Amino acid sequence: KAGVTQTPRYLIKTRGQQVTLSCSPISGHRSVSWYQQTPGQGLQFLFEYFSETQRNKGNFPGRFSGRQFSNSRSEMNVSTLELGDSALYLCASSLYSGAGNTIYFGEGSWLTVV
Amino acid sequence: AQSVTQLGSHVSVSEGALVLLRCNYSSSVPPYLFWYVQYPNQGLQLLLKYTSAATLVKGINGFEAEFKKSETSFHLTKPSAHMSDAAEYFCAVSVFGNEKLTFGTGTRLTIIP
Repeated sequence: KAGVTQTPRYLIKTRGQQVTLSCSPISGHRSVSWYQQTPGQGLQFLFEYFSETQRNKGNFPGRFSGRQFSNSRSEMNVSTLELGDSALYLCASSLYSGAGNTIYFGEGSWLTVV
Repeated sequence: AQSVTQLGSHVSVSEGALVLLRCNYSSSVPPYLFWYVQYPNQGLQLLLKYTSAATLVKGINGFEAEFKKSETSFHLTKPSAHMSDAAEYFCAVSVFGNEKLTFGTGTRLTIIP
């Protein structure tokens, strides 16, 4: 069974640009969540989608957005990139939404903003 | 709000020695607790999780953790360290009604040959 797949794995963007990251969850998983990992702030929750609806959102500015498609695939978008947005963005999936569910992570998308 | 504290950002143990990584949680409701491992340039891999079924949880790669409510702890142990255990380890918590994972700051484990 394929794991959580994230594309692209590495990308470099310029300040002010926007970026879209893609995530394909494990087959059959309907919940997708996104996390940002930086050396300074650690792992922080961005948002979670279940059945195409955003169920939970972290404390990030409105420049960070996401969506989920009917096939459970998800994308996140960051507009007007800032240097501080440089991070590893991790996508995770689980069968259902809810505490205690086993959450599986992808290998992440490394974003560098210059 | 729930939180976890990982004591010791860096831990070094000799190969073959006991591994003990500490995690304390704070939650006003029963928590679900997780340990994840991250190898360099990779994502997070689930080692084990506690969901109230049993206080002693066995995970992959010989790791286990014990939930102690009285101490609000969920420490990760492995009897004998292996070189391949060198990685960063994260403790995380979620609760009913706020299902996101809240992570600790991580502990980098170094294995001394």
